[in-house]
Amino acid sequence: DAGVIQSPRHEVTEMGQEVTLRCKPISGHDYLFWYRQTMMRGLELLIYFNNNVPIDDSGMPEDRFSAKMPNASFSTLKIQPSEPRDSAVYFCASSLLVSSTDTQYFGPGTRLTVL
Amino acid sequence: DQQVKQNSPSLSVQEGRISILNCDYTNSMFDYFLWYKKYPAEGPTFLISISSIKDKNEDGRFTVFLNKSAKHLSLHIVPSQPGDSAVYFCAASAKGNNRLAFGKGNQVVVIP
Repeated sequence: DAGVIQSPRHEVTEMGQEVTLRCKPISGHDYLFWYRQTMMRGLELLIYFNNNVPIDDSGMPEDRFSAKMPNASFSTLKIQPSEPRDSAVYFCASSLLVSSTDTQYFGPGTRLTVL
Repeated sequence: DQQVKQNSPSLSVQEGRISILNCDYTNSMFDYFLWYKKYPAEGPTFLISISSIKDKNEDGRFTVFLNKSAKHLSLHIVPSQPGDSAVYFCAASAKGNNRLAFGKGNQVVVIP
């Protein structure tokens, strides 16, 4: 399996622009997670899906952020409008069956820079 | 509020010596703990875990110790190798809660 795939790997945009990050989870995995990594806060969970349904979006920072999972093999995280403080590395992860003992597999991340 | 804390953000150690990484948590509901390893430009990868019913778990050169009363766990790497140079994240979860809470990470540099 190719693992979790994320695109783009790097994104540079200007403040106010819309940004869309994409993720393809590992085939057969029922859960998909979006994380954000910053120096100040480390790795934060933004939202996760089970069978394409959003389960917990309490980590989404504000209404400018939205996430969708239209099917089992694709998810997007959108920021509109983007701000410089959104600059971070965004990771997508998937797991087969979430319990406290199931491993999450991470993609390589998207490094977002908002100027 | 950071429920999982990793102090001493960086550690340098000679090849062959022991690396010890520490992690403290505040949520008494956490019952499962994990360490992830991250290389530059890659996502974190699972390294080792421990359930709260145990106080030690060993996998090759990696051992995790859990002290529930102190809400503290540590990762020991012995002997350290240059390929161990990476950022290590401590994470925790509570039974019935699908969220993983991560620490900010520790940078480990193994000097050949």
